[in-house]
Amino acid sequence: QVQLVESGGGVVQPGTSLRLSCAASGFTFSSYPMHWVRQAPGKGLEWVALISNDGGDKKYADSVKGRFTISRDNSKNTLSLQMNSLKLDDTAVYYCARDYFADYWGQGTLVIVSS
Amino acid sequence: QSVLTQPPSASGTPGQRVTISCSGSSSNIGSNNVNWYQQLPGTAPKLLIYTNNQRPSGVPDRFSGSKSGTSASLAISGLQSEDEADYYCVAWDDSLNGAVFGGGTQLTVL
Repeated sequence: QVQLVESGGGVVQPGTSLRLSCAASGFTFSSYPMHWVRQAPGKGLEWVALISNDGGDKKYADSVKGRFTISRDNSKNTLSLQMNSLKLDDTAVYYCARDYFADYWGQGTLVIVSS
Repeated sequence: QSVLTQPPSASGTPGQRVTISCSGSSSNIGSNNVNWYQQLPGTAPKLLIYTNNQRPSGVPDRFSGSKSGTSASLAISGLQSEDEADYYCVAWDDSLNGAVFGGGTQLTVL
């Protein structure tokens, strides 16, 4: 069965960096584009980034452009999100999701940016 | 302020039919498909409707989606207590070159 497991969240200070990972299993990872979507505490969903199945095309929300980098390693079935220059507003649960439809989601990993 | 506009709340009694709207513009809903997600408290979102009106396997046919112009709707018929959740619409926005979500609608089953 399709499984997506995020990891790497934690508590960090503003201006620092964090790298999130999403381990995929149960499907041919290299065949699917992947998203990162986040949800601030008590708030709605916000799309963060999208990467094509081969990693050649990447899209970002304006709120993270220039600070976050989405990448993937198809040999390791892993999706990553490198987050630099973190801000208080980046505090959220970060989800990875499969395909343009986002048909499967992981359980999320919590990132808290706090001084 | 979300690019797609949803009512913040909706409610209905068991067995009733409820509709949730999602309003956008020509750059998103007007030119791209809409998906809908259900998020139960404390859980990850679940795909409910894709490509405007398609149901993934396992989603009851009580849930249906439609799109017209720059607006879309999610209808839930035969409302059940387990339908109490937050519902989100999403579409690609050609101007922003990214996906945009609605602000979400909290559905209460009275």
